[in-house]
Amino acid sequence: AQSVTQPDARVTVSEGASLQLRCKYSYSGTPYLFWYVQYPRQGLQLLLKYYSGDPVVQGVNGFEAEFIKSNSSFHLRKASVHWSDSAVYFCAVSQNSGGSNYKLTFGKGTLLTVTP
Amino acid sequence: EAAVTQSPRSKVAVTGGKVTLSCHQTNNHDYMYWYRQDTGHGLRLIHYSYVADSTEKGDIPDGYKASRPSQENFSLILELASLSQTAVYFCASRDWGGSQNTLYFGAGTRLSVL
Repeated sequence: AQSVTQPDARVTVSEGASLQLRCKYSYSGTPYLFWYVQYPRQGLQLLLKYYSGDPVVQGVNGFEAEFIKSNSSFHLRKASVHWSDSAVYFCAVSQNSGGSNYKLTFGKGTLLTVTP
Repeated sequence: EAAVTQSPRSKVAVTGGKVTLSCHQTNNHDYMYWYRQDTGHGLRLIHYSYVADSTEKGDIPDGYKASRPSQENFSLILELASLSQTAVYFCASRDWGGSQNTLYFGAGTRLSVL
C-alpha cells in the first residue's frame, strides 16, 4: 500500500525567509509524486509534479521540489516566501500508471503561515 | 479552462436524513473522485468512477453511495447522515493515462450534520 507522511502539521516562517516543507512517501515501485496547495475556502490546486528525469522539478510561484529516492522523500522548497503563500500544502503519491485502478494518496497536509 | 463545480457549497443536515452532494465537470474527463477532508486526516478517497453508470469503492466507502449518470456528473449520497460525516467534501476529475494524472478539484462542500 502507498502512503505519505508530512511530519509537520504547522510551519510558520517570516516573509522573505526560505521554506522547506517535508514529505516522505512509501511505495514499492517508482512513484508519481505531487504537491498540491489549498488556499482558504478553495479546492486543491496542483503546484508541481514529478514523474521521471531530473529529480528537481519546478512548479508555479517559485516553488520547487526534489525527489530523493534513497530517502523516499519529496520535500517542497521556496527561496523567499510571500504572505500570499499562506495555505495548506499537501504531498501526494500515486502509482506510475493511469488505468482504472489509479489511486492518489494524500498526506495530512502542512499549514503554512507566513508572518510579516 | 478545466472546471469542476460542486453544489451546494455548504449544507446543514439532520442526523438520519438523506443528503446528496453533486459534482459537474466540463473537462471531458473520464475519471471522477469524491474525497473527504477532516482536520488531521488530510484527504481520504470515498468513491470514484472511470465510466458513466459505474462506480468503485475507495478507502472509506462505508455510509456513502455514489452515482455517475453521465460523464459530466457524479453524486455522493448519504442515505442516513450521521454526526461523524460532518466534513468538507471535494470532487475531482482526471484525464485518462499518459503523463497527466493530474486531479482537478472543485471548491468543496462543507457539510454539517446536527
